Amino acid sequence: GEDVEQSLFLSVREGDSSVINCTYTDSSSTYLYWYKQEPGAGLQLLTYIFSNMDMKQDQRLTVLLNKKDKHLSLRIADTQTGDSAIYFCAEREGGSTLGRLYFGRGTQLTVWP
Amino acid sequence: DVKVTQSSRYLVKRTGEKVFLECVQDMDHENMFWYRQDPGLGLRLIYFSYDVKMKEKGDIPEGYSVSREKKERFSLILESASTNQTSMYLCASSGRGRGYEQYFGPGTRLTVT
Repeated sequence: GEDVEQSLFLSVREGDSSVINCTYTDSSSTYLYWYKQEPGAGLQLLTYIFSNMDMKQDQRLTVLLNKKDKHLSLRIADTQTGDSAIYFCAEREGGSTLGRLYFGRGTQLTVWP
Repeated sequence: DVKVTQSSRYLVKRTGEKVFLECVQDMDHENMFWYRQDPGLGLRLIYFSYDVKMKEKGDIPEGYSVSREKKERFSLILESASTNQTSMYLCASSGRGRGYEQYFGPGTRLTVT
């Protein structure tokens, strides 16, 4: 299957920007996603980007996609303590009509006041 | 808003019991998925279904079966629960248009004693 890699931990101070990085292996991926999981809850879709885009911005969130390096990042501006959670990167299997996603292991973001 | 519900948030079962986990979605989605989530291992796909009565094995189907008799409902069955099936179980659904994004339920934390 596909391989999606993320660093496991990130700590930032409240008010700073956070950048969570992800690499993937399937060069034919069509969509890439960012999900957020708060303790004891399911995954919440934050945003996704189509592979023909380089950047997508949604309020405090900026997604950057470098398709050549197969690198995806999520930047959270003005990080708040409520942003503390696990963030998952995922890619959609290229060429598949079934919509299967491959997830990274998640990055635990801790925001210090 | 898309809503995916799971029958229980917490479940405690004994070894050898037959366990049913139910998932219902209200968005007329074709695809439904069952994952388990364990610390350090991320999300692992157990089974998925792309249509009523259709199912496909994911990466870790052993010890599990599924049933999809109606489009909105996808059941995960543990035929004979074992302690190594203690985990968080997450259900998701997705349509076949737009970004094929998956929407998750709140999860069921299953403990097998």
